[in-house]
Amino acid sequence: RKEVEQDPGPFNVPEGATVAFNCTYSNSASQSFFWYRQDCRKEPKLLMSVYSSGNEDGRFTAQLNRASQYISLLIRDSKLSDSATYLCVVTRGGTALIFGKGTTLSVSS
Amino acid sequence: DADVTQTPRNRITKTGKRIMLECSQTKGHDRMYWYRQDPGLGLRLIYYSFDVKDINKGEISDGYSVSRQAQAKFSLSLESAIPNQTALYFCATSEGLAGAAGYNEQFFGPGTRLTVL
Repeated sequence: RKEVEQDPGPFNVPEGATVAFNCTYSNSASQSFFWYRQDCRKEPKLLMSVYSSGNEDGRFTAQLNRASQYISLLIRDSKLSDSATYLCVVTRGGTALIFGKGTTLSVSS
Repeated sequence: DADVTQTPRNRITKTGKRIMLECSQTKGHDRMYWYRQDPGLGLRLIYYSFDVKDINKGEISDGYSVSRQAQAKFSLSLESAIPNQTALYFCATSEGLAGAAGYNEQFFGPGTRLTVL
């Protein structure tokens, strides 16, 4: 089992749609969790951290379920500018970040 | 000006050549990282450094070496490039651990696209 697994993409949705991405991780010792966004041929950038209590940032909501080792990202009212690849990221011990392969979102008008 | 810069941005080289990719940062961060990204494989960690005197191997360090010349500079070398090292390479930086279990955001450079023929 890969350390971080994400929904296979691509997700193709119309503007205004709600879309959810899921991610599972295998290392129960992982302590920190993030969603990064990567535009085509660009560097990844932090979208949001993920906390056990769940957190929201505008149209984006992230949830963490430690018991199930599951992370989700919900995007409401999708915009054309949301088109990108979304990377699920977890920590491995105290060393570094482990990235999922990413899920591609394409929002169309 | 960008906080994390990488040079060169694009490089084409031949098998067996020695290549150095450079990374500089103005963020004042202690931690620096080198990743490679391949289609279908995602980002994979090559080496990381938590301060000037600290160098650690990541999951795919074979065929690579690094040098942390200063807090702001972290270079990646391919001593003898081979075609399967063709990839997009990213440098990243972060602050130290945010408390006992926290982890800080990583800031990425724009990437170096390396092609080994």
